[in-house]
Parts: sequence; structure tokens; C-alpha cells
Amino acid sequence: GDSVTQMEGPVTLSEEACLTINCTYTATGYPSLFWYVQYPGEGLQLLLKATKADDKGSNKGFEATYRKETTSFHLEKGSVQVSDSAVYFCALERDYKLSFGAGTTVTVRA
Amino acid sequence: DTGVSQDPRHKITKRGQNVTFRCDPISEHNRLYWYRQTLGQGPEFLTYFQNEAQLEKSRLLSDRFSAERPKGSFSTLEIQRTEQGDSAMYLCASSLAGQGRETQYFGPGTRLLVL
Repeated sequence: GDSVTQMEGPVTLSEEACLTINCTYTATGYPSLFWYVQYPGEGLQLLLKATKADDKGSNKGFEATYRKETTSFHLEKGSVQVSDSAVYFCALERDYKLSFGAGTTVTVRA
Repeated sequence: DTGVSQDPRHKITKRGQNVTFRCDPISEHNRLYWYRQTLGQGPEFLTYFQNEAQLEKSRLLSDRFSAERPKGSFSTLEIQRTEQGDSAMYLCASSLAGQGRETQYFGPGTRLLVL
């Protein structure tokens, strides 16, 4: 069945550092891919998405490119802020159901 | 723009009791989903509705769980004879069907603790 594997955390960074969270998936066909973020005390929010191969999703300085050849959707940000501290979830969608990775906790220190 | 709302936000109950959670989706959204999230894990799909029809249920949804969406608007998730293993965050999401690869928008969740 479909599955998502993402980099284990926790990840601790200094402000203005570069962030990469690896995500790979196993699925047949071409599922849509998503990154959701969960800030402390809040619900899941959509961060970005890509619906077909080579699409790049971007939002709030974060980017991820749908790579069919490597079945990956890595999340990147060039310069993180303290406000980016959160749990990040990679997910794929098939037949209206989302399958999530386990989440990566990111802490950014000033 | 009103997002997805869930009630209650927290519920503590004793093992064997029944609990019911409510979800109000974004007003024009016709699809509604329930997920469960345990500590340190990503959400897992439980079930979803299109309008009032329940179209799919995960095998995670034992016969103690029942979900309804009687008028195609809000939904309820009931757990009968709760067990300690039911302790989790229950998330509701909604989307608007018919726009291709639609996006699911999540509510804040209901955190259940079964003692």
C-alpha cells in the first residue's frame, strides 16, 4: 500500500540556517504530495502541495519539488526563523485519503 | 472565512464510557474526513463522507466507532465502550469536491484521554 517515510527528528537549528527535511514515498501512479505543518498548540495547516511530477510547491519561503524518479518530495527553506519551529508532516493523497509520515519536529533557536 | 471547527477540544473519560465528538466543516465543503493521531505519529485515515454518504471506512474503525453526517453538514464520531487504546487526537478535515486534486483543511482536533 501507499506509505510515506520522512526524516526522523528532532531537528534543532539556529536562526538563518538552512533546513531540509527529507521525504520519500511508495505509491503506484501519481499521487498528489503535500507538506502540512503543526505549530505548537494549533491544528494541521497546509504548507504547500504538488500534484504532478516536476511540480514545485512553495509557500512562506519553503519549497518542495515532486521528483517521480526518486519518489521524493523534500522540504527546503534557505533561512529559518524562530517562528518556523513546528512539526512538519509529509503526506500523499490517493482516492481522497491522505497518508502521512510520522512527522519531523523542528526547533529554531535565536 | 470560518475554518473547520471541532467540539470538544479535550475529553477525559473512563474506560467503558461512550463519547461523541462533533465536527463542523467549512460551509461550502461537501467532503468531510476523520483521522486519528497518536503521540509521535502522523494522522491515520478513519473514514470520509461525501455529502451525507459515508463512502469509505478504514479497518482501523472498529465496530465500536460510528460516524454520521445526517444532513451533509456537520458530522459526529461516536466511540462506544471506550478503551485506553482509544486515547488519541481525533482530527476532522473538509474539502470541496469537483475541483481536481482538492485540498483537505483540518480542524484543531479533539484530544481524548481514556482513563
